[in-house]
Amino acid sequence: EAQVTQNPRYLITVTGKKLTVTCSQNMNHEYMSWYRQDPGLGLRQIYYSMNVEVTDKGDVPEGYKVSRKEKRNFPLILESPSPNQTSLYFCASSPGQPNEKLFFGSGTQLSVL
Amino acid sequence: AQTVTQSQPEMSVQEAETVTLSCTYDTSESDYYLFWYKQPPSRQMILVIRQEAYKQQNATENRFSVNFQKAAKSFSLKISDSQLGDAAMYFCAYRSPSGSARQLTFGSGTQLTVLP
Repeated sequence: EAQVTQNPRYLITVTGKKLTVTCSQNMNHEYMSWYRQDPGLGLRQIYYSMNVEVTDKGDVPEGYKVSRKEKRNFPLILESPSPNQTSLYFCASSPGQPNEKLFFGSGTQLSVL
Repeated sequence: AQTVTQSQPEMSVQEAETVTLSCTYDTSESDYYLFWYKQPPSRQMILVIRQEAYKQQNATENRFSVNFQKAAKSFSLKISDSQLGDAAMYFCAYRSPSGSARQLTFGSGTQLTVLP
């Protein structure tokens, strides 16, 4: 089944404790991206990747890191999480063409205490 | 950078009636792609409909259609014969076609309630 697998689904952590949210797709998609969703703000792009070893900042990259060492995986790293990073996070992927729809993961609800 | 504006945080519609959700965007590009995504309470993101800017004909998908006004930079979604299952958050999104700007920008969303 074609899918984007995102883990964990829920995460509670404390300020400053490094964490990684994993994202993997099995569709050989070139494009992958991370979004955070906050009430009243919609989805805002954190980082995106056009292909292996090619990543670029989105609208809200501060406090986040990503890597794209393999085509299928695109982890999101929070080196030192802070309470303002409490949010719902989505990973998404799509083929290379911009008219293609995004395939979304099931989301990660992160709470930073 | 492109911006996408959804001016209606909440809308409601009676079952079987028609509702229109508005979306405007700001861009200097002539070619781009527009999308409507639906997010039900399960929080799954589902593509509803897409429109390519170079196509003048408005896209339709069953009960869902768009009114694309390129000059006005407007991209509204019309839902006909509304059903209870249409209740969700709806996001409008803009995608640039070229190079490093090829990211996707979402609006803030419209929460649609369908009344029985």
